[in-house]
Amino acid sequence: GEDVEQSLFLSVREGDSSVINCTYTDSSSTYLYWYKQEPGAGLQLLTYIFSNMDMKQDQRLTVLLNKKDKHLSLRIADTQTGDSAIYFCARRRDDKIIFGKGTRLHILP
Amino acid sequence: DAGVIQSPRHEVTEMGQEVTLRCKPISGHNSLFWYRQTMMRGLELLIYFNNNVPIDDSGMPEDRFSAKMPNASFSTLKIQPSEPRDSAVYFCASTAGPGNTIYFGEGSWLTVV
Repeated sequence: GEDVEQSLFLSVREGDSSVINCTYTDSSSTYLYWYKQEPGAGLQLLTYIFSNMDMKQDQRLTVLLNKKDKHLSLRIADTQTGDSAIYFCARRRDDKIIFGKGTRLHILP
Repeated sequence: DAGVIQSPRHEVTEMGQEVTLRCKPISGHNSLFWYRQTMMRGLELLIYFNNNVPIDDSGMPEDRFSAKMPNASFSTLKIQPSEPRDSAVYFCASTAGPGNTIYFGEGSWLTVV
């Protein structure tokens, strides 16, 4: 299977919480990241978590890491239209960063 | 800081032509990455450099692709000859090293017709 896997699409109503999930295979990953890509733009780092952490919260963003299951999630509270983008999960081991295919988040009015 | 700077932003070229993409990493960053993004394959790591030295080029698709980093402030990705299947967005990224944030450029949008 793929090194980093994510579902390709997610639709959420404005104001609800969005939860984007990711699984990875390399248990020796040191950092795990969430990047956001808006149309026509590059990737912007949203947040990251070190592999010895379980959770990290940053304003509307909550990252949960289940190292045993190699599962990472990003929760966006109170989803807004400006959150519409592609969200990439990525893992890092040494210098190499490998990305998932991205989850396209669509906001419903 | 100006961030990672890539050029050109957009290029349309004919099949068989040589394409050169350029990247200026953030000053002080010692690692540089080239990624390719397509709908089908997502973001693929093509090659990365540490201190101007290519470390892993296993992602380079074939011999038509080559990358160089002659100094700490400049890198090129060259495709010769180009083919329509090379059409993609090519991203350059840089970081100050393991444990540091990786910053992406805005990408070079390549179309080969």
